[in-house]
Amino acid sequence: AQTVTQSQPEMSVQEAETVTLSCTYDTSENNYYLFWYKQPPSRQMILVIRQEAYKQQNATENRFSVNFQKAAKSFSLKISDSQLGDTAMYFCAFEGSQGNLIFGKGTKLSVKP
Amino acid sequence: EAGVAQSPRYKIIEKRQSVAFWCNPISGHATLYWYQQILGQGPKLLIQFQNNGVVDDSQLPKDRFSAERLKGVDSTLKIQPAKLEDSAVYLCASSEPWTSGRENEQFFGPGTRLTVL
Repeated sequence: AQTVTQSQPEMSVQEAETVTLSCTYDTSENNYYLFWYKQPPSRQMILVIRQEAYKQQNATENRFSVNFQKAAKSFSLKISDSQLGDTAMYFCAFEGSQGNLIFGKGTKLSVKP
Repeated sequence: EAGVAQSPRYKIIEKRQSVAFWCNPISGHATLYWYQQILGQGPKLLIQFQNNGVVDDSQLPKDRFSAERLKGVDSTLKIQPAKLEDSAVYLCASSEPWTSGRENEQFFGPGTRLTVL
């Protein structure tokens, strides 16, 4: 069975600095998708960034980028120039051949002014 | 475009009572998901519909939980009878048809926070 592990329950970063959130996963599949979702306090979950496993190039979305290491089954999220609005729970998620998302337990990120 | 709608936003019930949640997905989205998110954890899939058919309900506690998606649009999730451990946020999500190329991007609703006393 696939599993997703986020080893950092909480992190904090100063505004304008860079922070990296870690995620590892376990699967025997070769083709899959990985996601980072953001869940602000009392607000709904939104997709931050997506990575297809068959693509070697790391995905980027403005200030958000990933470091995808397929052999190591690692998928970290880097947030550059952190903003107060980045304060949220961040969930790493895996989607395999069954088509459903498996989420990690999340990392609570606080951006401090 | 309008997002995924859910109601109610909050619900407090006593154990052994029944409760129902409603979800209206984004127009045109063929796939609908119900997740349970217990405090301090990531969401866990309860059931996945493709149009009005069930794709995956392997983690749905079928002795007390039921879900339907009549006409392939709106969906309801019911718990009968509720237990204390059912206290959680119930999230509904939807995604585009398989042919769209973006079928694995899920759009989430605001959730229903259920408290069972």
